[in-house]
Amino acid sequence: AQSVTQPDIHITVSEGASLELRCNYSYGATPYLFWYVQSPGQGLQLLLKYFSGDTLVQGIKGFEAEFKRSQSSFNLRKPSVHWSDAAEYFCAVGLTGTASKLTFGTGTRLQVTL
Amino acid sequence: ETGVTQTPRHLVMGMTNKKSLKCEQHLGHNAMYWYKQSAKKPLELMFVYNFKEQTENNSVPSRFSPECPNSSHLFLHLHTLQPEDSALYLCASSQDLLDTQYFGPGTRLTVL
Repeated sequence: AQSVTQPDIHITVSEGASLELRCNYSYGATPYLFWYVQSPGQGLQLLLKYFSGDTLVQGIKGFEAEFKRSQSSFNLRKPSVHWSDAAEYFCAVGLTGTASKLTFGTGTRLQVTL
Repeated sequence: ETGVTQTPRHLVMGMTNKKSLKCEQHLGHNAMYWYKQSAKKPLELMFVYNFKEQTENNSVPSRFSPECPNSSHLFLHLHTLQPEDSALYLCASSQDLLDTQYFGPGTRLTVL
C-alpha cells in the first residue's frame, strides 16, 4: 500500500521569504500526486497535481512542485510567501490509473510572521 | 451555489441521536466521497460512490450509513455514535474515479 510522509509538522517563515514543504511517498510505481491547502474551518483546496509529463508543476497562488522519482519526493515551493498563505498543507498520493483512493499525509501547518 | 456544499456546517449530537449530513455538488461530477478528518491524524477515506453506486467502503462502522440518491447528492446518516467519532467530515466530488477531487467545507461534528 502507498504511504505519504510530511516530515515537518509545523513551519514558520517570514513574509516575503521562500518556502519549501517536503513530501515523500512510498509506492511501487509512479503515483498521482497532489497538494491541497486547508484554511481554518474550511475544506481542502487543490493547489496543484501531477499525473505525468513535465516533472515541474505549476499551481495556483504562485505555488509549484517538483516530482523527483529518484527521491520519491514531491516538494511544494513558493518563492515569496504572503501572510495569507498561512494554512495547513496536505500532500496526497493516488494509485496509478486512479485518483479515487487517495492517501494523505498528516499535514504541515504553515505560520507566516510579518 | 457553486462547487461542493455541505450542511450543516456544525452539528452537536448525543450518542443516542440520529442525524444526517448532506453534501451537494454543482460541478456535474459523477463520483462522490466521504472523508473523516480527526485531529492529529491523516485524512481518512470512508466511502466512494461512482454513478450512485458504492465502490469503496473503507471498513467503516455500521453506525455510519451513506446514501447517494443521485450523482449530485450524498448523505451520511449517523446513529448511536461514539465520542471518538467527533471530527470534521468532508465531502468531495470528481468527474470520475481518475480525476481530481474537489472538497466541500466540511461538517464539524461533536458527539457528546
